[in-house]
Amino acid sequence: DTAVSQTPKYLVTQMGNDKSIKCEQNLGHDTMYWYKQDSKKFLKIMFSYNNKELIINETVPNRFSPKSPDKAHLNLHINSLELGDSAVYFCASSHRDRGRETQYFGPGTRLLVL
Amino acid sequence: RKEVEQDPGPFNVPEGATVAFNCTYSNSASQSFFWYRQDCRKEPKLLMSVYSSGNEDGRFTAQLNRASQYISLLIRDSKLSDSATYLCVVNWNTGNQFYFGTGTSLTVIP
Repeated sequence: DTAVSQTPKYLVTQMGNDKSIKCEQNLGHDTMYWYKQDSKKFLKIMFSYNNKELIINETVPNRFSPKSPDKAHLNLHINSLELGDSAVYFCASSHRDRGRETQYFGPGTRLLVL
Repeated sequence: RKEVEQDPGPFNVPEGATVAFNCTYSNSASQSFFWYRQDCRKEPKLLMSVYSSGNEDGRFTAQLNRASQYISLLIRDSKLSDSATYLCVVNWNTGNQFYFGTGTSLTVIP
């Protein structure tokens, strides 16, 4: 069973609304991520935090704002939702194991914007 | 050019068959390599890391060719439960940046 958890699992909302997705990991990892998987199943990195500090910020609209209150949590807030935001959002965390950084994923949040 | 490229398939193979997937990566400075498995409507799960000397885990064998910048995954004696999408993942080891391929779809047929 995954030790990276996300809430909610499903999110259906109207265009223009603001919503948040929460992520927690109890693995003691220092680094956490948000990915977006679109309808073509391509997984694209959005953000990465290491010990609460932003280290990767890909080209993502500034309507998306990550927040890491501590290294076990990385939340994603989305303002003014658009139809194109519909996707599956995966949280992940990683740690260094035998010299390599290895990632573990949460179960995903399926967002549908109507 | 994409950082990681895979043949999307689909690969449809009978039970018991051997199937191989390849993946190429663009950055010669890539440090770590992985195969993940993603079932329908589920999260990606680590299948195996890929080491320079190649490695095996049961029916699964992973190989790395740094000179040609590709990695491979061989599945022997395919089971119905192997049906999934297999994702090739490369880590540049700078800023914990991971790059995913688009995945290769495998269906094992009874």
